[in-house]
Amino acid sequence: SAVISQKPSRDICQRGTSLTIQCQVDSQVTMMFWYRQQPGQSLTLIATANQGSEATYESGFVIDKFPISRPNLTFSTLTVSNMSPEDSSIYLCSVAATLYNEQFFGPGTRLTVL
Amino acid sequence: AQSVTQLDSQVPVFEEAPVELRCNYSSSVSVYLFWYVQYPNQGLQLLLKYLSGSTLVKGINGFEAEFNKSQTSFHLRKPSVHISDTAEYFCAVSEAAGNKLTFGGGTRVLVKP
Repeated sequence: SAVISQKPSRDICQRGTSLTIQCQVDSQVTMMFWYRQQPGQSLTLIATANQGSEATYESGFVIDKFPISRPNLTFSTLTVSNMSPEDSSIYLCSVAATLYNEQFFGPGTRLTVL
Repeated sequence: AQSVTQLDSQVPVFEEAPVELRCNYSSSVSVYLFWYVQYPNQGLQLLLKYLSGSTLVKGINGFEAEFNKSQTSFHLRKPSVHISDTAEYFCAVSEAAGNKLTFGGGTRVLVKP
């Protein structure tokens, strides 16, 4: 299985600021994804992080609000820009391991925006 | 487009009783099906998956699920639950293994002593 770490594990931020979340995997993976889990809700895919090209965003999510970088096959960042209280959520990174035909999830970053 | 419906948002159950969590999906193509568990303040852990083959899938912690193509369902069952099974359970689908997942709304299981 893939071991995934995320930094920070949690943060409390002021509205109008930005936060960058890091996702590190212990092995090279092809597919990396970023999900959002709003309080008491299910997971919603924000985007697929593509290595060497722009991320692919789902409907309702835009690059200006959630810029994503993926400089190599083991690392990605998600920035939540110009935050508002509605951005308070858990943000999860996941990776797809073709060998295992499944996705592995990081522990998540719990963000609170005041 | 795919969608997943988990019919029960909350399921209270007594310890050592059986539990069934219902999941229905819709998709225009063949799908791969997954059940994940999220314990309080933790990330997601895969319970089991259906990719192909036998429609009865056994997972970790005594859980199993049955894929029913005609009813587009993938219900999760456990014959005897423990207090430690208290968690949120998510059903998810994807068009290909390793591809993006579409999640259901989740079912919160509360096991009572």
